[in-house]
Order: sequence, then structure tokens, then C-alpha cells
Amino acid sequence: AQTVTQSQPEMSVQEAETVTLSCTYDTSESDYYLFWYKQPPSRQMILVIRQEAYKQQNATENRFSVNFQKAAKSFSLKISDSQLGDAAMYFCAYRKGSGGSNYKLTFGKGTLLTVNP
Amino acid sequence: DAGVTQSPTHLIKTRGQQVTLRCSPKSGHDTVSWYQQALGQGPQFIFQYYEEEERQRGNFPDRFSGHQFPNYSSELNVNALLLGDSALYLCASSIRGPGANVLTFGAGSRLTVL
Repeated sequence: AQTVTQSQPEMSVQEAETVTLSCTYDTSESDYYLFWYKQPPSRQMILVIRQEAYKQQNATENRFSVNFQKAAKSFSLKISDSQLGDAAMYFCAYRKGSGGSNYKLTFGKGTLLTVNP
Repeated sequence: DAGVTQSPTHLIKTRGQQVTLRCSPKSGHDTVSWYQQALGQGPQFIFQYYEEEERQRGNFPDRFSGHQFPNYSSELNVNALLLGDSALYLCASSIRGPGANVLTFGAGSRLTVL
């Protein structure tokens, strides 16, 4: 079974600084997708960034980027120029790439990010 | 364009009761998945519906059941409620097909079992 581990229960960063959230996963599959979701106090999960395992290039979305190390099964999220609105719970998630499991996400336990003004 | 809508937002039940939670998917989406998020935990997959049938199920007992209607909306039913069923229940919708189809989540229904 696939597992996702987030070893940092809480992180804090100063506004405008950079922070990196860690995630490791375990799978025997070669085709899969990785995601970072943000969950603010409003509770709604919002997709931050996604990475296809077959792509070697790290995904980037504006101030958000990932460091995908497939051999090490590591998928960290870097937030640059942190803003107060980035404060939220961040979840790393895995999804098998093909077959009937296309829609089952396996989540980590989350990292609570605090942004200090 | 409305996203995923869930109702009710909050509800309180007592042990042994039954509850029904409702979800309307994002416009254009035909697949609905349900997740349970206990306090301080990541969401856990309950099951997924498309074409009005349960297609995949997580490690949840038969007390958890669901339904999808012809308009793609869905219900999650939980019978014989236990204290441990207290959680945030999230609905997510997507378009069925290959590739990294993004799940769009609703804001959830917070269930408290006393």
C-alpha cells in the first residue's frame, strides 16, 4: 500500500522569506502523480501544485515550486516570498497513475504553516 | 461557475443514529469521491462514484454507503453512528478519464457524534 509521510507537523516563516515543506512517499508503482494541497481555515482543499512522476522537470506555479527526487521518493514544496495568505495546513498527496485508482488520493498528515508578519 | 457544494455544513448526531450528507459536483464533472478527515489528520478515501455506481472503496465498513444520481450529485450515508465517526467529510469531483485529472474539493460537512 502506498504511504505518504510529512515529518514536519508545524513550520513557521517570516513574511517575504522562503520555506520548504518536506514529503516522502512509498510506492512500488512507476506511474503516479504527486500533489500539494492547501487547506485554510475555510476547510476547502485547494490544489497548489502537481507533478507527474514521468516528468523529470520540477513543477513550478508562480511562488510555489517542488523538488521531486524520484529515486529518493521525496517531494518537497518550496514557497518563495511567503505571504500572510499562505498560512494554512499543507497536505502532500499521492495518486496511482492508471487503472481504477485514478481518483483515490493518499494524503499525508499535513504540515501547519504559520506566516509571521 | 459554482464549485463543489456540500450540505449541511455542520451537524450533530448521537450514537446509533444515521446521517446523510449531500454533494453537488462542479459543473461539467461526472465523478464524485468522498473523504473522511479526522481532527489533525489528512483526509482518508471512503469511496468513489461514477455512472451511478461505486467504483472504488477505501478501508471503511459497510456502515458507510453512498449513492450517485443521474445529475451526478451524490449522497454519503453513515448508519449506526459511532463516536469515532466525528470528522470533516469532504466531497471531491472530477472528470473521468486518463491523466492527472484534478480533484475539486468542497468545503466539507462537519459531523459531530455525541
